[in-house]
Amino acid sequence: KNEVEQSPQNLTAQEGEFITINCSYSVGISALHWLQQHPGGGIVSLFMLSSGKKKHGRLIATINIQEKHSSLHITASHPRDSAVYICAVFFTGNQFYFGTGTSLTVIP
Amino acid sequence: KAGVTQTPRYLIKTRGQQVTLSCSPISGHRSVSWYQQTPGQGLQFLFEYFSETQRNKGNFPGRFSGRQFSNSRSEMNVSTLELGDSALYLCASSLSRSGYNEQFFGPGTRLTVL
Repeated sequence: KNEVEQSPQNLTAQEGEFITINCSYSVGISALHWLQQHPGGGIVSLFMLSSGKKKHGRLIATINIQEKHSSLHITASHPRDSAVYICAVFFTGNQFYFGTGTSLTVIP
Repeated sequence: KAGVTQTPRYLIKTRGQQVTLSCSPISGHRSVSWYQQTPGQGLQFLFEYFSETQRNKGNFPGRFSGRQFSNSRSEMNVSTLELGDSALYLCASSLSRSGYNEQFFGPGTRLTVL
């Protein structure tokens, strides 16, 4: 059983669309990370959240601790946003678990 | 500021051999974490080292081990390689404990076991 569920698995959007990727987890956590992985393997950390909301440019991440749910939003999507987005949860037992990733393709 | 570096970038080994991978963190970062990524299992946490001590360990057999040196550089070792160990091995560094801080990932070492 995967401790972290991500949806959707695949997402295709037209340039300019608003995109939402969801992450749900099963037990209490210390922090949640959103990662971006481009073709070729390089991973970049986008956000680290333990509560509330964070914004960086066109990216917004929110977390609801009570509902055990986080969302990553991309406003005004662009082809360069095409990548795999991965939710990583750091549980209070000091263990990282990862979602299976959401593969996003933004079409010009 | 130089990023996280990993060596080697590519490696081919045969079953039964052992392998050592190296990770140099960003200067000033004291935490190094290791991850395995495969098409079937996705990303999985191997272990985290902080100030030369293993702080957390994922659900991997004892064939997977690591260490961290006083300069924060880290190595991971896999003994008695199996075909299923073929994967991209990533390390990430952070200023302090990885769960609570932004992580900076290296480019990875792609290991192929024949």
